[in-house]
Amino acid sequence: NAGVTQTPKFRVLKTGQSMTLLCAQDMNHEYMYWYRQDPGMGLRLIHYSVGEGTTAKGEVPDGYNVSRLKKQNFLLGLESAAPSQTSVYFCASSLGAGAYNEQFFGPGTRLTVL
Amino acid sequence: SQKIEQNSEALNIQEGKTATLTCNYTNYSPAYLQWYRQDPGRGPVFLLLIRENEKEKRKERLKVTFDTTLKQSLFHITASQPADSATYLCALAKGGSQGNLIFGKGTKLSVKP
Repeated sequence: NAGVTQTPKFRVLKTGQSMTLLCAQDMNHEYMYWYRQDPGMGLRLIHYSVGEGTTAKGEVPDGYNVSRLKKQNFLLGLESAAPSQTSVYFCASSLGAGAYNEQFFGPGTRLTVL
Repeated sequence: SQKIEQNSEALNIQEGKTATLTCNYTNYSPAYLQWYRQDPGRGPVFLLLIRENEKEKRKERLKVTFDTTLKQSLFHITASQPADSATYLCALAKGGSQGNLIFGKGTKLSVKP
């Protein structure tokens, strides 16, 4: 099992550019999450999904969109990147609700927006 | 607004001692509390989950307590080793299928040989 994988690992964007971060899990988990981690801020939830075809907003959703067309994949899109979106992005998945199930995290994507 | 505080940004201890990390919360009534470990450049890894009706949970050298009256969780690592050096995150959640984790900022633990 590869667990949770994320691509790319690193990316540098210019302000206004768009990109998509891909998360894949091979554990047949229903729930998937996108977090961002900034120094001094901790992990913050951007969007999440409770199953294929569903998405919901988290704590900091503005400037991001997501899609869950297949159960194993969860995509995070930035339509027009801003320097404030410079961060490390983590994808996670869990078998059931994240409140009382272990979340499995990917290795992260380090994004810099110039 | 709800707030989670891990009261030490960094904790330095000697190998073999017990490390105790604290997680306090306000304006919140969590049903669940989780602890994760994060190494530099890597994603968090789950360690333990404790429910509001559980006072204590143990796993090998790890022990977590959950005091809903004090609104506090303590995370202990006994017989600490240099390999335990990492950042430890606490995370809280309310009950229900839509409840999501809210993470603290973490405590960086350094265990010196």
